[in-house]
This record gives sequence, C-alpha cells and structure tokens, in this order.
Amino acid sequence: GDSVTQMEGPVTLSEEAFLTINCTYTATGYPSLFWYVQYPGEGLQLLLKATKADDKGSNKGFEATYRKETTSFHLEKGSVQVSDSAVYFCALIGNNDMRFGAGTRLTVKP
Amino acid sequence: DVKVTQSSRYLVKRTGEKVFLECVQDMDHENMFWYRQDPGLGLRLIYFSYDVKMKEKGDIPEGYSVSREKKERFSLILESASTNQTSMYLCASSPSGKAFFGQGTRLTVV
Repeated sequence: GDSVTQMEGPVTLSEEAFLTINCTYTATGYPSLFWYVQYPGEGLQLLLKATKADDKGSNKGFEATYRKETTSFHLEKGSVQVSDSAVYFCALIGNNDMRFGAGTRLTVKP
Repeated sequence: DVKVTQSSRYLVKRTGEKVFLECVQDMDHENMFWYRQDPGLGLRLIYFSYDVKMKEKGDIPEGYSVSREKKERFSLILESASTNQTSMYLCASSPSGKAFFGQGTRLTVV
C-alpha cells in the first residue's frame, strides 16, 4: 500500500538556520503530497501541498517540490524562527486514503 | 470555514467498555478518516470511508470498527477498550486533495 517515510527527529536548530526535513513516498498512481504542522497543544494544520509532479508548494517561508523521479517532497525553509518549533508531518492522498509519516519534531532555539 | 468536530477532547474509560468516538463535518465531504497519534509513530490510519455506508480498513483496524450512516458523521467504535488503545484519536474529512482535522480526542483506558 501507499506509505510515507520522513526523516527522524528530533531536529534542533538555532534561529535563522536553514531547515530541511526529508520525505519520500511510495504510491501507486499519482498522489497529492502535503506537509502538515502541529504546534504545541494544537491540532494539525495544512502547511503546504502539491498535486502533481514538479509543483512547488509554499507557505510562511516553507517550500517543498514534488519530485516524481525521486519520489520525494522535502520541506525546506531558509531561515527558521523560534515560532516554527512544532511537529511536521509529511502526507499523501491517493486512492481515497491519506497516509502520514511519523512526524519530525523541530525545536528552534534563540 | 470547514469545521470538523469531535465529540470529546478528553475521555477516560475502563478496560472492557464499549467506546464511541464521534466525528461530524459540516462541508459535505465524501472522504472521512480516523487516525491515532502516538509519540514516535506519527498518525496511523485506522479506518476511512469514501461514502455513506462505505468503509475501508487502514493500517491498524484491529480492535476498532466504524459506522457511517450519514455523510456528515463518522463514528469510531472500540468494542472492548484495552489499555493499549490509550492514545490521541484524530478525525479528518476531505473533499479531495486536502484534509481538515478535528481537535482530537485524548482517550485514556484504565
């Protein structure tokens, strides 16, 4: 079945550092890909998405590009802030179901 | 705004009890999902439904069942609660291409 594998955490960075969280997927067909974020004590929120190959999703300074050739959707941000501390989940929707990665906890220190 | 409402934020039940977790969405979405979220394991799909009275098993359906009698409501049932079902349960709905989450129900089985 479809699955998502993302980089294990936790990840700890200093403010203004560059962030990459790796995500790869396995799917039949052509899934849509997502990054969700969960801030402490809150529910999941959609961060960005891409629905076809070579699409780039972006929001709040975060970016991810749908790479069909490498089946990847890595999350990047050029300069993280303390307020970006959260758990990040990579996900895909294909064939009516939606699968998530295990989540990566990011802590940004001042 | 889309609203996905889960009936309880916190629930404590005894081992062996039958437990109902309710989820209601107000946007006429076809697809609805139940996940459990555990530290280090991310979100694991329990069941999903793509239409009224339709249901599909996810990755961890054992010990759970679901009911979708009306489009807006998707119920998760623990037939006989066990301590290993202590977890955060998340409901989501999706028209296609994006999922909206409820706030979650933290279930403790004692």
